[in-house]
Amino acid sequence: TQLLEQSPQFLSIQEGENLTVYCNSSSVFSSLQWYRQEPGEGPVLLVTVVTGGEVKKLKRLTFQFGDARKDSSLHITAAQPGDTGLYLCAGASGGSYIPTFGRGTSLIVHP
Amino acid sequence: DTGVSQDPRHKITKRGQNVTFRCDPISEHNRLYWYRQTLGQGPEFLTYFQNEAQLEKSRLLSDRFSAERPKGSFSTLEIQRTEQGDSAMYLCASSLGPQPQHFGDGTRLSIL
Repeated sequence: TQLLEQSPQFLSIQEGENLTVYCNSSSVFSSLQWYRQEPGEGPVLLVTVVTGGEVKKLKRLTFQFGDARKDSSLHITAAQPGDTGLYLCAGASGGSYIPTFGRGTSLIVHP
Repeated sequence: DTGVSQDPRHKITKRGQNVTFRCDPISEHNRLYWYRQTLGQGPEFLTYFQNEAQLEKSRLLSDRFSAERPKGSFSTLEIQRTEQGDSAMYLCASSLGPQPQHFGDGTRLSIL
């Protein structure tokens, strides 16, 4: 069973700071997704990456897929309180199309 | 804009009772997923439908769990003889593509 390790588990920063969170696995992924989840709500899909080395940008968020398609990172520039939430990565591998989720990084951005 | 709808949002029941949850996916989405999420964890896959066919089930889905999607539209997830360990958020997602795109806000189950 593939295992996605997300780090750090918790992150508490001040508004305006930059941050990077990581998603790592020993498995090769056919695709990898990043979601953001707020308390009491379902995850919201932010991005899907499929090509090794791919970089996607969504406003202040930059997503990178590792060259070997085993890892990914999410970088947030000038974080805002509205970025607060649980950031989850999920990936499918081994011929399965069902993504497995990591435990997430819980981000708090203080005003 | 109608997203994925789940009902009820909260369910409190005594151990040993049966519960049923409903998920209404986005209307044109043929793929439907059920996940379970406990505090401090990411969602864990339970089962997956493409149209009305249940194509994959997790080992987490014991024989007390059953899911249906009779007409390829809404889906139900039933848990029989509930146990304390069933307390969790049950999430439904739907998509056109191979990854769950849109999640509902879940049904939070609490077992007394």
